[in-house]
Amino acid sequence: GQNIDQPTEMTATEGAIVQINCTYQTSGFNGLFWYQQHAGEAPTFLSYNVLDGLEEKGRFSSFLSRSKGYSYLLLKELQMKDSASYLCAVLDSNYQLIWGAGTKLIIKP
Amino acid sequence: DVKVTQSSRYLVKRTGEKVFLECVQDMDHENMFWYRQDPGLGLRLIYFSYDVKMKEKGDIPEGYSVSREKKERFSLILESASTNQTSMYLCASNTGQSYNEQFFGPGTRLTVL
Repeated sequence: GQNIDQPTEMTATEGAIVQINCTYQTSGFNGLFWYQQHAGEAPTFLSYNVLDGLEEKGRFSSFLSRSKGYSYLLLKELQMKDSASYLCAVLDSNYQLIWGAGTKLIIKP
Repeated sequence: DVKVTQSSRYLVKRTGEKVFLECVQDMDHENMFWYRQDPGLGLRLIYFSYDVKMKEKGDIPEGYSVSREKKERFSLILESASTNQTSMYLCASNTGQSYNEQFFGPGTRLTVL
């Protein structure tokens, strides 16, 4: 079967750095997405990786290793507004998105 | 500013009722999707559509149907609502290729009593 694993919940301190991991086992791979979802709101796109390596976008970076079936989202200089759920999703061989359950990130002052 | 809107934020229905959830996007996107989101589970695809009058089953189509009569509108229908369909329903759209980001609506929280 297809599977996306992420930690259920993480806690970090304002101003710090946090890394949210995502491991996947899917039938084929055509890219990996990260979305942010604030409580009660719609998910919004953060990043898309299809090649190995690190992609940086401001305070957020996303890393992919296809050989290991592994990605992480790195958030730097954490702000209170970064408190949200972070969803990992993989595009499989049929170009269908397989979603993880999401990681709830709690930022403490 | 791109926008996906859903007809209701909150909806309460009784078992056996027919329920319509409407989704409209103003971005001229070809592709539209209906998901449900439940605690502890990832988003699960119910149905999607790549064009007007076209529909494809997702992972959990049982108990649902859809309609896409116009490009901007994608409706989800629960023919006879059941309590296990209590959930958050999210509509999304994107253009062209599957690797393009999806834009989501605010969601409809449906409670079936």
